[in-house]
Amino acid sequence: QVQLVESGGGVVQPGRSLRLACAASGFTLNNYGMHWVRQAPGKGLEWVAVIWFDGGNKYYTDSVKGRFSISRDISKNTLFLQMNSLRAEDTAVYYCARGESPYGALDQWGQGTLVTVSP
Amino acid sequence: QSVLTQPPSASGTPGQWVTISCSGSKSNIGDNPVSWYRQLPGTAPKLLIYGNDQRPSGVPERFSGSKSGTSASLAISGLQSEDEAGYYCAAWDDSLYDWVFGGGTTVTVL
Repeated sequence: QVQLVESGGGVVQPGRSLRLACAASGFTLNNYGMHWVRQAPGKGLEWVAVIWFDGGNKYYTDSVKGRFSISRDISKNTLFLQMNSLRAEDTAVYYCARGESPYGALDQWGQGTLVTVSP
Repeated sequence: QSVLTQPPSASGTPGQWVTISCSGSKSNIGDNPVSWYRQLPGTAPKLLIYGNDQRPSGVPERFSGSKSGTSASLAISGLQSEDEAGYYCAAWDDSLYDWVFGGGTTVTVL
């Protein structure tokens, strides 16, 4: 049974860093692309980043380029999102999601972890 | 402002047919498969339609998707109270190298 469990969220001051983790089970990360998607309070879904199935390509939405970094540990079957220089507008629930194919749908989602950036 | 355009709301009475549109461009909907997601209040999104018109196992047949050119649609037939949720379209964008979502449509069952 496929499962994604996020962790690492919390309250952090502007300018500080936070690392989110997404533990995967029921499948192996090196067979799928993995995404981070966020949702600010009361707002819609916003895609954040993707790491390709082979780990060779990583893409980011413009607003996080140079601040966020997506990575994975195959041995732990875990996806990460390193978030630096956090801003108030980064406040959101962060979901990890599995890509069923390189340009295909996000077919499995975690339950999300809340990140609040506040003084 | 979202790259993909959806109406903010849609509504219908139980049993009715509701459609949600999603408008984009060649670089996203035009050249890549569209997927749809449903998000019940307080929960994570769930895949509803992939590959423009394919339903994952477990999704009822009353949900259907279609695509024509740079637009896509989600249709819900036989509307039920549990269909009250947010619905989002999405696709990869070849020009932005981004995955783009629509702004979301809130469906209300009257």
